[in-house]
Order: sequence, then structure tokens, then C-alpha cells
Amino acid sequence: AQSVTQLDSQVPVFEEAPVELRCNYSSSVSVYLFWYVQYPNQGLQLLLKYLSGSTLVKGINGFEAEFNKSQTSFHLRKPSVHISDTAEYFCAVGPQGAQKLVFGQGTRLTINP
Amino acid sequence: KAGVTQTPRYLIKTRGQQVTLSCSPISGHRSVSWYQQTPGQGLQFLFEYFSETQRNKGNFPGRFSGRQFSNSRSEMNVSTLELGDSALYLCASSLVAGDRGNSPLHFGNGTRLTVT
Repeated sequence: AQSVTQLDSQVPVFEEAPVELRCNYSSSVSVYLFWYVQYPNQGLQLLLKYLSGSTLVKGINGFEAEFNKSQTSFHLRKPSVHISDTAEYFCAVGPQGAQKLVFGQGTRLTINP
Repeated sequence: KAGVTQTPRYLIKTRGQQVTLSCSPISGHRSVSWYQQTPGQGLQFLFEYFSETQRNKGNFPGRFSGRQFSNSRSEMNVSTLELGDSALYLCASSLVAGDRGNSPLHFGNGTRLTVT
């Protein structure tokens, strides 16, 4: 079975500051890793995904994430955040070849002016 | 290209009633998955349909059921509603079943169900 732990339920940062949202996962099989963003009253939108290869993956809206196999982590980063990045962010894992994703509990990112 | 469309956006039902939620996938997508989102339990997988067949099912009671039509549209039904069924129900479509890496999920905006 797989599990995902998002280490921070809330992260407040100032506009134009860097941010890191932390995600650790557990799995006995190879997995794909994802970050999704959910804006208020909307569904989830895929930010980026790691399948294989380079451990640094770039996504939309200036976000990137680094896969660390030894630490079983997949932290999301952005060098400079904007007010529009205020949302909830979900890390998810999916066993290769399987249908369902297992999501973390989410991290609420709040940007202060 | 239109995204995943879920109807209705909001529903209020009474305990004991039943409800049907609808999902239209992105054109060309043949797989539809359903997730329940609650503040306490987070996002939990309900089931996935592909080519009108249920391919995978989460750990939910039999009161939760679904189906998929030949045009890939899907419906989810919850019978004998309980207060704990209050949640945001999200539908997601993908090109094919499985292989989430090369066939990622595209989510709709959800149906918010309130059970009183």
C-alpha cells in the first residue's frame, strides 16, 4: 500500500518570497508522483508529475519539484510566490500501472502582501 | 477543448434520500474516476470506469455505486444518504484506464453535496 504525508497543513508566506511545500511518501513498489493545486471552489489542476529520469521536474506557474528516492520525498518549490498562488496543494502517488491515486491531506498556502 | 463537466454544482438532500451526480469527461477521454473530498478524510478514491466497466473500487460501502455510458459520460449514485456523506464529489477523466503517469487525471469542479 502507498501513503502520502504532507508535513505542513498550512504555510503562510509573504508575496515574492520563496516557498517549499513538503511531501513524503511510502511505497513498496515504484510509483509516479504528482502535485495538484486546488483553487477555491474548483477542482484539482495538475501542476507537475514525476515519472522517471531527471529528479527535478518543472511544472506550470513557475513551480518545480525534486524527487529524492533515498528520502522518499517529493517537495514542491517556487522561488517567488504571487497572491494568485493562494490555494491548497496536494501531493499524490500512484503505483505504476495502477489506476488510483493516493493523496496527501493537503497544504494550504496563504500569500500575504 | 471543454474540460470535465460535473452537474449539479450544489445539492442539498435529506438523510435517507438518494442522489445521482453526473460527469461528462473531456472529449476523447474514455476513463472516468470519482473521488470524495472531505475536511476530515481528505481525498478518497471511490471508483474508476473504463469502457462502461468498473475497473477499480475504493473502500466505500455498497450505497455508493456508479456507471458509465457508451459516450463515456458517468453517473454516481448514493442511496440512503447519511450525514457523513456530505462532501465535495470530484470526477476526473483520463485518456485510458491505469497508467496514471502517461494518462493523468483531469478533474472537474465537483458537486458539493450537503446532507441534512
